[in-house]
Amino acid sequence: DIQMTQSPSSLSASVGDRVTITCRASQGISNYLAWYQQKPGKAPKLLIYAASTLQSGVPSRFSGSGSGTDFTLTINSLQPEDVATYYCQKYKSDPLTFGGGTKVEIK
Amino acid sequence: EVQLLESGGGLAQPGGSLRLSCETSGFSFSTSAMSWVRQAPGKGLEWVSAINGGGISTYYADSVKGRFTISRDNSNNTLYLLMNSLRAEDTAVYYCAKGRASVVSAALNYWGQGTLVTVSP
Repeated sequence: DIQMTQSPSSLSASVGDRVTITCRASQGISNYLAWYQQKPGKAPKLLIYAASTLQSGVPSRFSGSGSGTDFTLTINSLQPEDVATYYCQKYKSDPLTFGGGTKVEIK
Repeated sequence: EVQLLESGGGLAQPGGSLRLSCETSGFSFSTSAMSWVRQAPGKGLEWVSAINGGGISTYYADSVKGRFTISRDNSNNTLYLLMNSLRAEDTAVYYCAKGRASVVSAALNYWGQGTLVTVSP
């Protein structure tokens, strides 16, 4: 099975900073990669699919890139409401594995 | 408005069974693949199972294969997860989620609020 590895597992940044989270697949998955945001006590929310397509209603400060095995989620100008845990997920074939998550906090 | 409402969670004995339901509205259920995703207390997300829009193709994580069964009733817009031979490690919040397409290989664009399953003597 393809493994999904996220890094870092947590980070602390200041409001207005640019934040980058990476996700690596153990085998190529083309662009079958999604990013989710989960705030404490809430259900996950889709941010990006097909590696770089922004889900409707998601602020444009979120962006995704990558293809094959290496992917990146970028938050331009971190906002207080972006405090959450972020997960990548591959969906090219089953199992539809999630990465371990990256917890983002405000410094 | 898309809505997904899970029910059926609760306390179960090890070795016991539970059936989760996910009632949906606001979208074309029969043309949407559906998934179950769980989250153990304080842990990350774990994909559990998925089913295509027509209900023909089903998929399972190795951790639940042979114990859990996913199904759907397209006439009632409802998704199910029958969980047998429950173990302590199945304790988690279980979310149902809607896929962006009728095939399973699609991102999950809407999620329910989750239902808690606790497996304990």
